[in-house]
Amino acid sequence: QQQVKQSPQSLIVQKGGISIINCAYENTAFDYFPWYQQFPGKGPALLIAIRPDVSEKKEGRFTISFNKSAKQFSLHIMDSQPGDSATYFCAASAPNTDKLIFGTGTRLQVFP
Amino acid sequence: NAGVMQNPRHLVRRRGQEARLRCSPMKGHSHVYWYRQLPEEGLKFMVYLQKENIIDESGMPKERFSAEFPKEGPSILRIQQVVRGDSAAYFCASSPNRAAENTIYFGEGSWLTVV
Repeated sequence: QQQVKQSPQSLIVQKGGISIINCAYENTAFDYFPWYQQFPGKGPALLIAIRPDVSEKKEGRFTISFNKSAKQFSLHIMDSQPGDSATYFCAASAPNTDKLIFGTGTRLQVFP
Repeated sequence: NAGVMQNPRHLVRRRGQEARLRCSPMKGHSHVYWYRQLPEEGLKFMVYLQKENIIDESGMPKERFSAEFPKEGPSILRIQQVVRGDSAAYFCASSPNRAAENTIYFGEGSWLTVV
């Protein structure tokens, strides 16, 4: 019940295309859903996050879509660029807890 | 405005040796978290500390692993009698308040290789 399932494991997108990464969870107590971007040899960096009171959040080319009833959320990267090539992790946490439960990651490669 | 500083960045230990990983949180942050990332896997929570206190160690293995965050100095993650399965990237993160209330910021990690 503490798991966050992420797919796909890897994704290849052409420059200018849309990258879509999906996550699903079981624990209905989760109330914070961040996405992290990680480049090789670096630590994860927060990209964008959402709480369940909204169904969508957009920041620049990055959008989170959240479906509370389906217990799913996804990251959309519009106009994907080679510089977006990285591993992306979804995560979730429950109220009054201090730990993030991470998905297994999606390795995104954007080709010019 | 330095970020979360971890050292060493890379550490090689023989089986049975001890590994000590250090983490200095961002300035003004008094909450520290350690996560472990095994190859091709996501990050797994290990422990949450405030100054001089362990708040949540539910993710720490029962044996050989310990963590501290003293009043002065960095947080230390200590692994005794390392085994090959301990080879992983260990990430420290910090926040000004509890993670439940704030974004946490990760360091660049310490890569432990056990040979």
